[in-house]
Order: sequence, then C-alpha cells, then structure tokens
Amino acid sequence: AQSVTQPDIHITVSEGASLELRCNYSYGATPYLFWYVQSPGQGLQLLLKYFSGDTLVQGIKGFEAEFKRSQSSFNLRKPSVHWSDAAEYFCAVGAGNTGKLIFGQGTTLQVKP
Amino acid sequence: NAGVTQTPKFRVLKTGQSMTLLCAQDMNHEYMYWYRQDPGMGLRLIHYSVGEGTTAKGEVPDGYNVSRLKKQNFLLGLESAAPSQTSVYFCASTRTETYGYTFGSGTRLTVV
Repeated sequence: AQSVTQPDIHITVSEGASLELRCNYSYGATPYLFWYVQSPGQGLQLLLKYFSGDTLVQGIKGFEAEFKRSQSSFNLRKPSVHWSDAAEYFCAVGAGNTGKLIFGQGTTLQVKP
Repeated sequence: NAGVTQTPKFRVLKTGQSMTLLCAQDMNHEYMYWYRQDPGMGLRLIHYSVGEGTTAKGEVPDGYNVSRLKKQNFLLGLESAAPSQTSVYFCASTRTETYGYTFGSGTRLTVV
C-alpha cells in the first residue's frame, strides 16, 4: 500500500536561512509526487509536482524539490526563507489513473525574525 | 474567480442530525474528491469521483455518502452526524492524475 511519511512535525528556521522539509514515500512503481502549502485557515495550494523527467523540479514561491528514487524521497527546499513562508506543508503521493492522493501528516514551519 | 467553492464554511450539528456539503468547480475538471483534515493526521480521502455519475470510496468512507449528478458539483452527505465527524472538510478537483489538485477553502464542521 502507498504511504507517505513526513518525519518532522515542526521545524523552526530563522528568516533568511535555508530550508529542507523531508518526505519519504512507499510505492512500488514510479509515483506522482506533490508538495502543497496551507496557510492558517486556508485551503491547500500546489507548490510543485513530479511525475517524470528531470528529478529536480521548480515550483512557485522559490521552492524546489528533488526526487530520489534510491531513497524513496522527495524533499522540499528553499535557499532563503521569508517570514511569509510560515505555514503547514504537505507531501502527497499518487498513482494509477484515479488521481487519488495519499497525504503525509504535514510539517509546520515557523520562521523566526 | 475560477476555482472550487465549498458551502457552507462553518456548521455546528447536533449528534444524529444530517447535512449536505456542497462542492462546486467551474474548471470543467473530471476528477473530484472529498478529504477530511484532522490534527496530526494530514488529509484522509473520504470519497471521490472520476467523472459525472461516478463515485467511489476512499480511505474513510463510513458515515458519509456522495453524489455527482452534474460534472461541476460533488455533494457530501452525513446521514446521522457523530462527534467523530467533527473535522475540517476539503473538496478538491483536478483535470488529470498528474495535474495537481485545486482545493476549496474548507468547511469546518463541529458535531456536539
């Protein structure tokens, strides 16, 4: 069965510092991988996705993620965090032709001034 | 603005009452989904639809029913609400399985 693990529940970084949020998935074939961001009281917004091709993908708001098949990982990175990046981040994996996604538990990012 | 609209945004129900949550999208998406979000558990799929007139069960379907009579609408029903159904409910839609979801802004439901 598919599963997604986000090992870090909370992360605190200083504004201007680099960021890496971890995501590990379990799936037998090549999955479709997504990162979403949720600001407080809001719905989720798509940051980026991977389903084939270049394993380093660029997204909105200066985020990128790298698919590493050997490590079953799809970690999200940003070189310099802004205070407005404080939010909850969700990794999700999908497969097959129904579009169903399995979401991780989420990582809450706090940004210190 | 184009997107996914959920109504209502907030609702308080008494145990045993019924209600219907409406999700409407104006992007002509084929696929639609209902998820619930609970603290520390991420989002869990309740039911989904891959086209007008189709529905299927997700990970946590018990206590819920759905209908997709029109392509743009996906209704989630609670026949007899229970406190365990207190949650935030999100509707999402997508064009294809690799396209990525567009989410609604959510419905916060409290069952007392």
